[in-house]
Amino acid sequence: DIVMTQSPDSLAVSLGERATINCKSSQSVLYNSNNKNFLAWYQQKPGQPPKLLIYWASTRESGVPDRFSGSGSGTDFTLTISSLQAEDVAVYYCQQFYTTPTFGQGTRLEIK
Amino acid sequence: QVQLVQSGAEVKNPGASVKVSCKTSGYIFLSYGISWVRQAPGQGLEWMGWISTYNGNTNYPQNLQGRVSMTTDTSTSTAYMELTSLRSDDTAIYYCARDLKASGNSPYYFDYWGQGTLLTVSS
Repeated sequence: DIVMTQSPDSLAVSLGERATINCKSSQSVLYNSNNKNFLAWYQQKPGQPPKLLIYWASTRESGVPDRFSGSGSGTDFTLTISSLQAEDVAVYYCQQFYTTPTFGQGTRLEIK
Repeated sequence: QVQLVQSGAEVKNPGASVKVSCKTSGYIFLSYGISWVRQAPGQGLEWMGWISTYNGNTNYPQNLQGRVSMTTDTSTSTAYMELTSLRSDDTAIYYCARDLKASGNSPYYFDYWGQGTLLTVSS
């Protein structure tokens, strides 16, 4: 299985500041035939199911605010929140679907 | 609007089985697969398997093969997940999720989720 490792495990950022979460896969999730990275990002708030934010590493899901962006390729990926809002407090997960789906361990994002 | 509504909380004894339902609406059932994901208390997400609503193909992770079974009823747009030989470490919230992969043999990502079903395994 592909192991997904997120960093940091937790993060505290001031309102209006940038938040950056990293995700590293144990092998490449870039499918060469279509040049797509098989990676998604989710946000999970307490007591709620996860919510899809980003797929194909950088495509924002419909309705997701444009302060959320995804980048990276191959084995190294980043989720960036450009200007943190109070409602962004949550746990964030990356997920690869290049092979049997696996998730990162999660990154807890809080307000500083 | 797209909805996935799961059955209610369950309490089971070790060794028993559980079957969780996921009734979908608001989209063409056969156009998307269904994946199941679980989350133990205070823990992260674990993918449990995928079923093609189109042809019934399934894909299960190795650690659950032989204990998990996924089915669908296309007449009611409902998916089911059965887990047998329950253990205490199966205690978790179980989610169904709409999977962007409708056919083939492996899942993609998940754009709509059910509300979750809490399974408690305890004697």
